[in-house]
Amino acid sequence: EVQLVESGGGLVQPGGSLRLSCAASRFTFSTYAMNWVRQAPGKGLEWISYISRSSSAIYYADSVKGRFTISRDNAKNSLYLQMNSLRAEDTALYYCARPADGAHFNGGAFDIWGQGTMVTVSS
Amino acid sequence: QSALTQPASVSGSPGQSITISCTGTSSDVGSYNYVSWYQQHPGKAPKLMIYDVTNRPSGVSNRFSGSKSGNTASLTISGLQAEDEADYYCISYTTTTTLWVFGGGTKLTVL
Repeated sequence: EVQLVESGGGLVQPGGSLRLSCAASRFTFSTYAMNWVRQAPGKGLEWISYISRSSSAIYYADSVKGRFTISRDNAKNSLYLQMNSLRAEDTALYYCARPADGAHFNGGAFDIWGQGTMVTVSS
Repeated sequence: QSALTQPASVSGSPGQSITISCTGTSSDVGSYNYVSWYQQHPGKAPKLMIYDVTNRPSGVSNRFSGSKSGNTASLTISGLQAEDEADYYCISYTTTTTLWVFGGGTKLTVL
């Protein structure tokens, strides 16, 4: 079964840093762009970052631009999110998500999601 | 405030049809056929239900359909079932500073 598994979440103080990982399995990771999407407790979904297959194209939501860095290691079938200068409003469940086959690149269609990893920013 | 506007809640009885709207602008929904819809049950990851406005992924019931008119996209669920009770989110490509924007979500209650 195609799978994404996130890890690296936890409790961090405001201003601190955290690195999330997303391990992909049972599909050819290097042939897919990847995304991070987050969901604050009791709130809606927020797309936060995209990385192309070769890492040549990277995009961020305004809310995290300049503080978060997305990266990937195709040899290790892994996606990462380095989060710096964390704020209370970054508290959320962070999902990695894979685009759906057959959907347009711009469609925002993600058919494979991990279970999420929780990040809590609090003193 | 979310870039795309969805009703906070909708409800319907089993067997009925409901429609959830997703209103954007000419910078997103109005100019591109790049709207997707997700279903999310409590404690679960989102599930893709519709992509590119009208397309259904394999395995998604044909009771779910999508459409668009002007700056508003819509998700229609026909023959409501208890299992359809969930939160629904739209997402659209946008030419603002972000790549994609989600709607605020709609809670569907099956009465």
